[in-house]
Amino acid sequence: GENVEQHPSTLSVQEGDSAVIKCTYSDSASNYFPWYKQELGKGPQLIIDIRSNVGEKKDQRIAVTLNKTAKHFSLHITETQPEDSAVYFCADSGTSGTYKYIFGTGTRLKVLA
Amino acid sequence: NAGVTQTPKFQVLKTGQSMTLQCAQDMNHEYMSWYRQDPGMGLRLIHYSVGAGITDQGEVPNGYNVSRSTTEDFPLRLLSAAPSQTSVYFCASRRDTLAYGYTFGSGTRLTVV
Repeated sequence: GENVEQHPSTLSVQEGDSAVIKCTYSDSASNYFPWYKQELGKGPQLIIDIRSNVGEKKDQRIAVTLNKTAKHFSLHITETQPEDSAVYFCADSGTSGTYKYIFGTGTRLKVLA
Repeated sequence: NAGVTQTPKFQVLKTGQSMTLQCAQDMNHEYMSWYRQDPGMGLRLIHYSVGAGITDQGEVPNGYNVSRSTTEDFPLRLLSAAPSQTSVYFCASRRDTLAYGYTFGSGTRLTVV
């Protein structure tokens, strides 16, 4: 069945450094890939997404890249700040008509001051 | 806008008890879902609805029922609570079945003893 592998499970970076989280999906027909940020005690919040007709999308310090050939997509956070510390989830929209998203298992990012 | 509102925020149940987790959204979203979040397992889909009167099962539906009588409300019922249902439950909505990002509620932390 469809699945999404997310790595690493934990990531610690120094403030100001970059962080990269990678997800690999299994269904080559998938066409929408969102990223969510979950702060402690809160629900996940959409931070950026990408569709299969583009290879990269940026929003200030956050970017997402998509490699359809290799079936993976990555979240890039530059100039990390302490408030970037959270759990990040990737998702694959799947290809069924109702788009039942499949989520990765999450990456806990710690930005060290 | 309130977005997606979940109640209660915390709940302790005894094994065998039943209860309903409430979810309401004020964005006129057609698509609503319930997820459970367990450590190391990401977000797993329990049930979803593509519109009022239409529901379907997700990845882990056993022990849960849903109904969708209005666009705004999507309650989740636990029929006979079991310790394995101890989890954090998230309700989420999105505009329709096409690939758009979810808006999540703040979650219900349920403990079954």
